[in-house]
Amino acid sequence: AQSVAQPEDQVNVAEGNPLTVKCTYSVSGNPYLFWYVQYPNRGLQFLLKYITGDNLVKGSYGFEAEFNKSQTSFHLKKPSALVSDSALYFCAVRDKDYGGSQGNLIFGKGTKLSVKP
Amino acid sequence: GAGVSQSPRYKVAKRGQDVALRCDPISGHVSLFWYQQALGQGPEFLTYFQNEAQLDKSGLPSDRFFAERPEGSVSTLKIQRTQQEDSAVYLCASSPAGTGPLSSYNSPLHFGNGTRLTVT
Repeated sequence: AQSVAQPEDQVNVAEGNPLTVKCTYSVSGNPYLFWYVQYPNRGLQFLLKYITGDNLVKGSYGFEAEFNKSQTSFHLKKPSALVSDSALYFCAVRDKDYGGSQGNLIFGKGTKLSVKP
Repeated sequence: GAGVSQSPRYKVAKRGQDVALRCDPISGHVSLFWYQQALGQGPEFLTYFQNEAQLDKSGLPSDRFFAERPEGSVSTLKIQRTQQEDSAVYLCASSPAGTGPLSSYNSPLHFGNGTRLTVT
């Protein structure tokens, strides 16, 4: 069965410091991986995705993520955090070989990122 | 508007009441999804439409939940005889991609702001 784990409920970072939000996944085939961000009382906004190719993926707002197949991880990173980055971050996976719903994403529980000035 | 629109934003229902939640996807988007997000959790898949066809309803938690998209655009999620455990945010998402093994898989979903349902 497909699953996504975000081991940290909350990550605290000082503004200007690098940030990492962790994600590991489990799928039976090859994964499509996504990161979404959710601001209070808002829906999810797409940040970036890994489909194939370079393991380092760059996305919106200066975020990037590194796909590591051997560690089954897709950690979200940013070199210099901003206070405005404070939000809830969700990792999601779709099994490339999954025979079910063509669009169904499996989400992690989310990690709350808090960036302090 | 350019985004996915959901209404109402907030809904309070007494236990046992029926509710209907509306989703207006982005114009022209083929795929439409409903997710349920409980407090402190990630979204969980409920059901998927491709145009007017409901291709997957495996995530609907009980037969009290029903979704439709009769003309392939607006969708309604109906919950009959609401229970307290139905309290959650219901998210709708759409995607321009349609059928085919590769067309949907790498397309990001565009989410609405959700409807927060509270059952008292």
